[in-house]
Amino acid sequence: KQEVTQIPAALSVPEGENLVLNCSFTDSAIYNLQWFRQDPGKGLTSLLLIQSSQREQTSGRLNASLDKSSGRSTLYIAASQPGDSATYLCAVIAPDYKLSFGAGTTVTVRA
Amino acid sequence: GAGVSQSPSNKVTEKGKDVELRCDPISGHTALYWYRQSLGQGLEFLIYFQGNSAPDKSGLPSDRFSAERTGGSVSTLTIQRTQQEDSAVYLCASSLGLGRLGETQYFGPGTRLLVL
Repeated sequence: KQEVTQIPAALSVPEGENLVLNCSFTDSAIYNLQWFRQDPGKGLTSLLLIQSSQREQTSGRLNASLDKSSGRSTLYIAASQPGDSATYLCAVIAPDYKLSFGAGTTVTVRA
Repeated sequence: GAGVSQSPSNKVTEKGKDVELRCDPISGHTALYWYRQSLGQGLEFLIYFQGNSAPDKSGLPSDRFSAERTGGSVSTLTIQRTQQEDSAVYLCASSLGLGRLGETQYFGPGTRLLVL
C-alpha cells in the first residue's frame, strides 16, 4: 500500500521568506504527483501536477520537483505572502488513477 | 458549470439515519472520484467511476456505503445507518478520464457530515 508522508506538519514563516515543503512516498510505481492547496472550509485546489517522466514543474512563484527513484517531491514557494497561508497536500497517482494523499503541511505566513 | 459542485455543503444527522450526498462533475468529465477526509487524518479514496465501466469500489469502508452515477454525470454517495465515525468531509473530484498521463483531478468544495 502506498504511504505518503509530508514534513513538516506545520510551518510558520515571516512574509517574504521562501517556503520548502517536503513529500515522500514509499512506492515509486506512480503515474503522477500532484500538489494541492486547501483553505479552511473549502475544497482542494490543484497547484501543480508532475508527470512521472518529469523532474519539475513551475507556475509563477511555485516550483515542484520530483525524484521518483528516491520517492521524494519538494514544493518551493518563493517570496511567501500572507495569502499563501493554507494547508498544502501532496498526492501520488497510482497506475489505476487512485490518489494517495499525505496528511498535509499547514503553512502560516506572518505579515 | 464551471467547476465541480457538491450538495449539501453541510449535513447534520442522527446516528442510524441514512444520508445522500450529491456531486455534479465538470461537464464533459467522464471520470468521477469520491474521497473522505476525517478529522485529523488525510484524504482517503472511496470509489471511482470511469465512463460506463463498473466502478472501482475498493475504497468503500463498509457495506453501509454505496454510490451510483446516473447518465454518466451526477453521482450520489449514500451512507446507510450512519455512525459517528462517518463524520467527515466528503470530497468529490472529476477528470477528463481520457486515461492519459498528466490528467488533473478537480475537486468540489466538499460536504461536511456530522453524525450526532
